[in-house]
Amino acid sequence: QKEVEQNSGPLSVPEGAIASLNCTYSDRGSQSFFWYRQYSGKSPELIMSIYSNGDKEDGRFTAQLNKASQYVSLLIRDSQPSDSATYLCAVNTGFQKLVFGTGTRLLVSP
Amino acid sequence: DAGVTQSPTHLIKTRGQQVTLRCSPISGHKSVSWYQQVLGQGPQFIFQYYEKEERGRGNFPDRFSARQFPNYSSELNVNALLLGDSALYLCASSLIPLAPSYNEQFFGPGTRLTVL
Repeated sequence: QKEVEQNSGPLSVPEGAIASLNCTYSDRGSQSFFWYRQYSGKSPELIMSIYSNGDKEDGRFTAQLNKASQYVSLLIRDSQPSDSATYLCAVNTGFQKLVFGTGTRLLVSP
Repeated sequence: DAGVTQSPTHLIKTRGQQVTLRCSPISGHKSVSWYQQVLGQGPQFIFQYYEKEERGRGNFPDRFSARQFPNYSSELNVNALLLGDSALYLCASSLIPLAPSYNEQFFGPGTRLTVL
């Protein structure tokens, strides 16, 4: 079983719709969770971090965490073509070691 | 403020050669982590350094080594290059608060290494 699992996609949504990205993790001791956006040929860019169960909102982005289910999600409201990228879920498994999923490719069509 | 910087941007080497990659963290950040990202995969943790000491190591062979300098910049060295070492090498910097597990990591632009 992979430590962090994501559906590779692509997830296709029309412009203005809500995009829902999901991630599961295996280490119950994990304490912090991050979403990164990566455009093709570029490095990952941090867009959200979440540490407690529940929702955390930042602009059009909402991260959701359920530690009992070992599940993290990212919602993108009013999706724009510029949101088309690969979204990486990362879990901190100890001190500064991040374990990443393989990423979900999001395509937002105009 | 400048973000994380890395050099060089691109590098082409042949098998068996050695390479050194460089990273400067965000001003005020004292921790540097190195990751390897091959095409189609998420980044994989290689090393973490804080206050010039290695604090974590991923599942990479001894051909990979790193160090951190007094100004918190860092170098990653890879010896005896293999074709499979071709990847994007990413440096991430972070503060170290009292609860380091909650620390956000910010990535530099990466160094694209191609081994022929």
